[in-house]
Amino acid sequence: QVQVEQSGDEVKKPGASVKVSCKTSGYSFSSYGINWVRQAPGQGLEWMGWISTDNGATKYAERMQGRLTLTIDTSTRTAYMELTSPRSDDTAVYYCAREKGAVPTFDVWGQGTMVAVSS
Amino acid sequence: DIQMTQSPSSVSASVGDRVTINCRASQGIARWLAWFQQLPGLAPKLLIYEVSNLHSGAPFRFSGSGSGTDFTLTISSLRPEDFATYYCQQTHSFPYTFGQGTKLEIK
Repeated sequence: QVQVEQSGDEVKKPGASVKVSCKTSGYSFSSYGINWVRQAPGQGLEWMGWISTDNGATKYAERMQGRLTLTIDTSTRTAYMELTSPRSDDTAVYYCAREKGAVPTFDVWGQGTMVAVSS
Repeated sequence: DIQMTQSPSSVSASVGDRVTINCRASQGIARWLAWFQQLPGLAPKLLIYEVSNLHSGAPFRFSGSGSGTDFTLTISSLRPEDFATYYCQQTHSFPYTFGQGTKLEIK
């Protein structure tokens, strides 16, 4: 069956980059895009960016531009989210979500990765 | 950016009640609207996509309606497992945006 599994929780000091992985199985990897969404403690959902698993094209939220890099490794069916120079307000649970359909729909989500940024 | 505004922000209801949650987009988004349910400590789960299509495995008591800028999620008869936070989301254009969430609490 379709599975999306994220890497484990991280604790980072401000300024040290963090990279979260999203490993998929059970479907044709290149047929569905991957989105990244984050949720700060007690807050709502914030869309961060999207990557095409077909050609690696990306779209980023403006506030993440310059600090966020989304990549894929088609050989391992894995998507990656790298955040550089994290600050304390980047502390959040980070989710990857598969996108299906001509009308983009986030139908399968990873379990989430907690990233805590603290000195 | 398209702003998504949900109302109410929270609602108290009892098991068996009918509940509606509203979502308004700052501009027309056609049918590019989804609803998610999030239980505490868990990832969001897709309930409804393209305004009114029930996602596989989502209970039939959930339904969606609306068009253009105004949309509604309805739960026909609340069950204990429905007490959660609900989010609407538009994927009409980047950046994709979510509503602020509606917390459904037990009365």
